[in-house]
Amino acid sequence: GAGVSQSPSNKVTEKGKDVELRCDPISGHTALYWYRQRLGQGLEFLIYFQGNSAPDKSGLPSDRFSAERTGESVSTLTIQRTQQEDSAVYLCASSSSTNEKLFFGSGTQLSVL
Amino acid sequence: AQTVTQSQPEMSVQEAETVTLSCTYDTSESDYYLFWYKQPPSRQMILVIRQEAYKQQNATENRFSVNFQKAAKSFSLKISDSQLGDAAMYFCAYPSGNTPLVFGKGTRLSVIA
Repeated sequence: GAGVSQSPSNKVTEKGKDVELRCDPISGHTALYWYRQRLGQGLEFLIYFQGNSAPDKSGLPSDRFSAERTGESVSTLTIQRTQQEDSAVYLCASSSSTNEKLFFGSGTQLSVL
Repeated sequence: AQTVTQSQPEMSVQEAETVTLSCTYDTSESDYYLFWYKQPPSRQMILVIRQEAYKQQNATENRFSVNFQKAAKSFSLKISDSQLGDAAMYFCAYPSGNTPLVFGKGTRLSVIA
């Protein structure tokens, strides 16, 4: 596609439910990143995929968070048993390689009630 | 751990005037990139400018330029002839080797007509 696409753009869920957030990177981009942005804060790194290498999961805040990527295409970020503290914008980005320009999606606003 | 510090949570500038946003970082690397991203209310992160550390010349993109002081680990962004559309959050970011971008907490820029 022309840009990074994220869905849904907004998600409201109840505490304790599981949610899945989707990211479609730019075609051909080998690197894919997930960041979390709490209200009024900077971007917090969650997880990074680069080609066929093992993902860098060092930013995931707890074992309730996981992410998968199919080859060099779609990625899903799953949050299990959501908590109110998980409320944030979740941003996905892709790039042609590490250190190259990141292209960001518009994010998913997650609200946990 | 790599860190990026933006010491100005908020800044304001009169339309057509010049403003400088500061950023410092911590690294032991000798070759790296530095980035400034803009985030308008639409949430989408937009690359403003990129600097390669091995280049002594400061990067420039139209009204945007940087003052890169490698020894001081300083990377400030200068916006000349400020326009109302420049109002946004600005984030300084830095990757190291194969690690993903680390972002500062951001500076909210207001442009006064």
